[in-house]
Amino acid sequence: GQNIDQPTEMTATEGAIVQINCTYQTSGFNGLFWYQQHAGEAPTFLSYNVLDGLEEKGRFSSFLSRSKGYSYLLLKELQMKDSASYLCAAFQGSNYQLIWGAGTKLIIKP
Amino acid sequence: IAGITQAPTSQILAAGRRMTLRCTQDMRHNAMYWYRQDLGLGLRLIHYSNTAGTTGKGEVPDGYSVSRANTDDFPLTLASAVPSQTSVYFCASRLGGDSDEQFFGPGTRLTVL
Repeated sequence: GQNIDQPTEMTATEGAIVQINCTYQTSGFNGLFWYQQHAGEAPTFLSYNVLDGLEEKGRFSSFLSRSKGYSYLLLKELQMKDSASYLCAAFQGSNYQLIWGAGTKLIIKP
Repeated sequence: IAGITQAPTSQILAAGRRMTLRCTQDMRHNAMYWYRQDLGLGLRLIHYSNTAGTTGKGEVPDGYSVSRANTDDFPLTLASAVPSQTSVYFCASRLGGDSDEQFFGPGTRLTVL
């Protein structure tokens, strides 16, 4: 079957680092997307990994291991505005569709 | 328009009524999608269209229909609304390449009573 798992909720402190994990099992896997969604708003694109390894983009980095079916999103120097849900989604190249995780709600405390 | 828009922003609907949610994009994206988002369940694909003139069923298509007469518009119709269709509906589009991200509209909050 197809499945994507990520923690429901995480809490971190302003200025700290947090890692949000995502494991997936999908057929025809072609890459892994991360999106950010603030409460009451639409998801917005953060990153896309197709090859194994770490992709760094400012304070946010994303990692993929295709052999382990595993990805993580690393957020550094956390700011209060980073309080949001973070969604991982596996891209199926066979039908060009995304399989979405339920999202991780990240709470930032001062 | 510069992006992807949805209408209405929110709607309260009586069960049994017909409703069309509108979605328009001006980015000349080939693919368009309709999702519903319910608490704890994440985004679930209702219908999609990889190019104008074609549509396909997603994970939860029952009770919904779509059409894609042109590149820009992708309306979602609920023929006879039921309370279980209460949700937030997001339309999304992407250019069409493998690494192209999906851009989302602002969403429609639908309540069926």
